[in-house]
Amino acid sequence: GNSVTQMEGPVTLSEEAFLTINCTYTATGYPSLFWYVQYPGEGLQLLLKATKADDKGSNKGFEATYRKETTSFHLEKGSVQVSDSAVYFCALSMTTDSWGKLQFGAGTQVVVTP
Amino acid sequence: DAGITQSPRHKVTETGTPVTLRCHQTENHRYMYWYRQDPGHGLRLIHYSYGVKDTDKGEVSDGYSVSRSKTEDFLLTLESATSSQTSVYFCAISDRGFYGYTFGSGTRLTVV
Repeated sequence: GNSVTQMEGPVTLSEEAFLTINCTYTATGYPSLFWYVQYPGEGLQLLLKATKADDKGSNKGFEATYRKETTSFHLEKGSVQVSDSAVYFCALSMTTDSWGKLQFGAGTQVVVTP
Repeated sequence: DAGITQSPRHKVTETGTPVTLRCHQTENHRYMYWYRQDPGHGLRLIHYSYGVKDTDKGEVSDGYSVSRSKTEDFLLTLESATSSQTSVYFCAISDRGFYGYTFGSGTRLTVV
């Protein structure tokens, strides 16, 4: 079946550091890929997405590139802020699935210290 | 989140009792989903709906049932709550399936 694997957290960084969260996937076919962010006590919010190979999703200074050859969708940000402290989820959805079911990774907690 | 609300936000219940969680949307979106969130597992799909009275099972549907009698409401029922169903439950909506979801704020359920 399809699956998403993320690096385990927590990831602890100082403010203005570079952030990378690794995400790889296994899928039969061509998925759409997503990053969601969950701030404490809240639901998940869509951060960015990419629907085909070599697409780059970007939002709020975060970027991720859909790499079909390495089945990866790593999330990066060049200079993190304390407000970026959250749990980040990588997810996929098969474009052949008209009901759009999402398969999530386990999530990576990011803690940014001043 | 705007356009989607879950109730209650918190609930404590006893083992063996039935529990119903409600998801209400004002976006007129076709697709609705229930997920549970547990440490180390991310979010796992319980049930989903693609229209009024059209529902189907997700990967962790045992012990849960759903109903959707109106476009705006999607109910999740734990038929006889067990401690393993202690979790945070999220509802999500989507108008185009795989283009991404809008999530509710979640219901924290504790079964004692």
